[in-house]
Amino acid sequence: SQTIHQWPATLVQPVGSPLSLECTVEGTSNPNLYWYRQAAGRGLQLLFYSVGIGQISSEVPQNLSASRPQDRQFILSSKKLLLSDSGFYLCAWSVLPTEAFFGQGTRLTVV
Amino acid sequence: TQLLEQSPQFLSIQEGENLTVYCNSSSVFSSLQWYRQEPGEGPVLLVTVVTGGEVKKLKRLTFQFGDARKDSSLHITAAQPGDTGLYLCAGGFGNEKLTFGTGTRLTIIP
Repeated sequence: SQTIHQWPATLVQPVGSPLSLECTVEGTSNPNLYWYRQAAGRGLQLLFYSVGIGQISSEVPQNLSASRPQDRQFILSSKKLLLSDSGFYLCAWSVLPTEAFFGQGTRLTVV
Repeated sequence: TQLLEQSPQFLSIQEGENLTVYCNSSSVFSSLQWYRQEPGEGPVLLVTVVTGGEVKKLKRLTFQFGDARKDSSLHITAAQPGDTGLYLCAGGFGNEKLTFGTGTRLTIIP
């Protein structure tokens, strides 16, 4: 069966520090991978998606970047965090163009 | 940019009541999903609808896809406290990505 791992679960970082959130998927090949950000109690904003290794599409200009160094690994990064980067970050995968499956999320607080 | 508007944004009702929440767009979807999310967790898929006019039932939950595949509704019968959560619709466009709606925060009062 397919599983998705996202870590860390919570993170507190100072303004100006770097960020690296990692997501890995098991049990499937060549998945579509996504990074979303969610404001408290609201819908999901798509940040990045990837249809293959090294293929990254950015949806929203911002202080973040994404990379896909391996087929089932998706990384969200920042060189210098801003206060506005705080939020709940979710990684997801899909094989069909539908039915996304989500990780448990990372609560990022920039202080 | 395809937008999915959900209504109402917040809904609080008594246990045992019925409710309907809506998901609307000006764009046509190739498919549409509904998810439920608990605080601090990722959304969990409830259902996928792909055919205009399609109706799917999941116990007390009834999902309907609009005939033109631009909108969807979720109806809950005899709501229970366990139904509390954030309900999200998501539309599939083409072959690459999903776009999520703005969400409906549902609270069922015992």
